[in-house]
Amino acid sequence: AQKITQTQPGMFVQEKEAVTLDCTYDTSDPSYGLFWYKQPSSGEMIFLIYQGSYDQQNATEGRYSLNFQKARKSANLVISASQLGDSAMYFCAMRGLNTGGFKTIFGAGTRLFVKA
Amino acid sequence: GAVVSQHPSRVICKSGTSVKIECRSLDFQATTMFWYRQFPKQSLMLMATSNEGSKATYEQGVEKDKFLINHASLTLSTLTVTSAHPEDSSFYICSARDPVAKNIQYFGAGTRLSVL
Repeated sequence: AQKITQTQPGMFVQEKEAVTLDCTYDTSDPSYGLFWYKQPSSGEMIFLIYQGSYDQQNATEGRYSLNFQKARKSANLVISASQLGDSAMYFCAMRGLNTGGFKTIFGAGTRLFVKA
Repeated sequence: GAVVSQHPSRVICKSGTSVKIECRSLDFQATTMFWYRQFPKQSLMLMATSNEGSKATYEQGVEKDKFLINHASLTLSTLTVTSAHPEDSSFYICSARDPVAKNIQYFGAGTRLSVL
């Protein structure tokens, strides 16, 4: 069975500093994708970044980077230069990439608070 | 801009009425769309997978007669909550995968349903 674990219910970061949100996963499927979404108070789920299990390099998207450590089965999200607008709920997700692969599963989420 | 449009964003209805929620993929064709439900301060729970031109696949414990799904075209899926009751009050959010963009799953803005 697949599982996503986010162990940090809440995190605080000072504006302009970097913050790491933890995500560990478990799957026996060799082909999978890892995703991070941001959910502000409005409720919309905003796609941030994607990492494929076979990708050699860690994914980066602007201020977001994914620290992918396959052997440890971790896919931590790093947000650099935090902004007040980064305050939101963040979900780590995973799904199988092969045809008939497992559906997207989500972690419990981490609420990030950015302090001025 | 948004690639998945969901409407309405909020609806308040009386108990016993039916409510229809629309989900449209704006920039791509989606043979598969997903409907999720989210309770306060919790993660997303997959309700069903909407398949264009065929019946939806419901997750265990989700009443298909209660939550009617129609995927009439490659860009539109609808969720109808029939004979709504107060316990159906929740945040419903749809999603679709972009087959061109690494099958990344994009989400609508969600619908907050309140049943009086």
